[in-house]
Amino acid sequence: GESVGLHLPTLSVQEGDNSIINCAYSNSASDYFIWYKQESGKGPQFIIDIRSNMDKRQGQRVTVLLNKTVKHLSLQIAATQPGDSAVYFCAENRGFYFGTGTSLTVIP
Amino acid sequence: DSGVTQTPKHLITATGQRVTLRCSPRSGDLSVYWYQQSLDQGLQFLIQYYNGEERAKGNILERFSAQQFPDLHSELNLSSLELGDSALYFCASSVGLATPFPTDTQYFGPGTRLTVL
Repeated sequence: GESVGLHLPTLSVQEGDNSIINCAYSNSASDYFIWYKQESGKGPQFIIDIRSNMDKRQGQRVTVLLNKTVKHLSLQIAATQPGDSAVYFCAENRGFYFGTGTSLTVIP
Repeated sequence: DSGVTQTPKHLITATGQRVTLRCSPRSGDLSVYWYQQSLDQGLQFLIQYYNGEERAKGNILERFSAQQFPDLHSELNLSSLELGDSALYFCASSVGLATPFPTDTQYFGPGTRLTVL
């Protein structure tokens, strides 16, 4: 079936370094993608979105890149901080599939 | 605080029982979504309602049902509960475009933790 999946289940980075979280999707009809952050004990929280007519979108310390050719999304977090430690999900609007997420741990 | 409220926060019940989870969307949001999150399955979409009508269905079991009321709050009913139904259940809401595949942000509630013993 159609799916959105995460390449790596865990990622550890040093505080101050940049983080890159990757995501693959298989539904070529998807036209809207979202990254969510879920901290322990809380619900997912919107970080940034991107529509399929864009390749890149920047927010505050975060950038999402979309490569429709290979159906790949990435989330880049600049100058990673301890507060960025969480599980990150990518999602697409066709099927609402989130997957298990990538757990980001920031090492002080 | 996302503006989405869910009650109860925790629920402990026995196998075979029936429970109802409640969700109040953000003010002005017409769409409500229900998700189930377990350790091995991740975040799974169950069902979406838009302005009182079912809009999209995901991996929702026949033992589960939902509805959205005229005041836009929603309830998820889980019946004949099994041990495997133990999970976090999230509700999310969005302004909700009248399409099956929304392109607006979903705001998640804090979740209801269901434990089936």
